[in-house]
Amino acid sequence: DTGVSQNPRHKITKRGQNVTFRCDPISEHNRLYWYRQTLGQGPEFLTYFQNEAQLEKSRLLSDRFSAERPKGSFSTLEIQRTEQGDSAMYLCASSPVGGASNYGYTFGSGTRLTVV
Amino acid sequence: GENVEQHPSTLSVQEGDSAVIKCTYSDSASNYFPWYKQELGKRPQLIIDIRSNVGEKKDQRIAVTLNKTAKHFSLHITETQPEDSAVYFCAAIWNRDDKIIFGKGTRLHILP
Repeated sequence: DTGVSQNPRHKITKRGQNVTFRCDPISEHNRLYWYRQTLGQGPEFLTYFQNEAQLEKSRLLSDRFSAERPKGSFSTLEIQRTEQGDSAMYLCASSPVGGASNYGYTFGSGTRLTVV
Repeated sequence: GENVEQHPSTLSVQEGDSAVIKCTYSDSASNYFPWYKQELGKRPQLIIDIRSNVGEKKDQRIAVTLNKTAKHFSLHITETQPEDSAVYFCAAIWNRDDKIIFGKGTRLHILP
């Protein structure tokens, strides 16, 4: 386990289709975060989990977005009825017990979504 | 609300000169301030961080300073090299949420 793994790396989808991304955090990290990054912007917080519990969702996360972490290990982010405005890099990050304020994040390489 | 302002958005410096990026934050309770470097097409990577009980931290050519009273913090890169060209993000932790809020980034160009 050398880092945070995200799949797929790239996804091109037609508007209106559903997409699902997966994130595998560093195994001993119990915190998992999802961010969205558009061109020229910093990562924007979407949601985070502690183990399997989803502790916070951003207002950016419309009802078309849902995230799960059923066993407290990997997480999935699903976007239903994709829109062109959903095109972005979706980044996953994890942090160990003690959280981000002590150790910062380790980011995955991201999934780049293009909605056509 | 939760906000981190970063400037400049773009910075060009001659190789060998110093670069300074400045940020402000809105939550006085924030106590952890990481800086990330993102090269084109790659993930953000933590390069240095500072906590509120420290005013300055240095790691080789990189230093960060923090003024908690003014809610300002800065990244200083000395003796810049071509490989320093990247986008740099400042960030602050929101303790009550334990999430990191990022600035919009500074694109640093090192000129030959």
